Amino acid sequence: NAGVTQTPKFQVLKTGQSMTLQCAQDMNHNSMYWYRQDPGMGLRLIYYSASEGTTDKGEVPNGYNVSRLNKREFSLRLESAAPSQTSVYFCASLYSRGTGELFFGEGSRLTVL
Amino acid sequence: SQQGEEDPQALSIQEGENATMNCSYKTSINNLQWYRQNSGRGLVHLILIRSNEREKHSGRLRVTLDTSKKSSSLLITASRAADTASYFCATQGNQFYFGTGTSLTVIP
Repeated sequence: NAGVTQTPKFQVLKTGQSMTLQCAQDMNHNSMYWYRQDPGMGLRLIYYSASEGTTDKGEVPNGYNVSRLNKREFSLRLESAAPSQTSVYFCASLYSRGTGELFFGEGSRLTVL
Repeated sequence: SQQGEEDPQALSIQEGENATMNCSYKTSINNLQWYRQNSGRGLVHLILIRSNEREKHSGRLRVTLDTSKKSSSLLITASRAADTASYFCATQGNQFYFGTGTSLTVIP
């Protein structure tokens, strides 16, 4: 049981390049989330998907797009990377939006030069 | 921002001592959760307290919640070097909002 798997773990981009962060969970969870973590800022919600086929913006969605490909997978795309998007990105999943705990992946560390 | 804040930002204690971290938040909540993050790793859930609860225990962890003050505290008793990590509170209303974290160092 792998839990939440994120790829890649590390990535270096040049300004203007695009890339997709992949996330998959094998716990049959309904809701999935993308957060970014910056020093001194804690975790900030980028996008979330309450269920398969739905996505919604979080606190800091600008510059990002997401796709809930199926129940297992939720990808985050940077269309034109900017240095301000240098961060550690975490994917998380939740069985139900009722009371429950988030399960996190190990993170994807992105550097934009 | 709907983020909460933890206090202190950093805490250094000797092994065996107790560690207390505080969290203040802004919105109404269904529950409040505490997570732990070891360096370079993802967050791991520690404990959840519902909005109608005032105190909860789990092993060496004790969490309190005061919804009138929009605050919570996490107490780790008899700390160990392995408790060294960052600790985050997260409030769950319509969404999960995380605090800025407390970095705990336990010195052997």
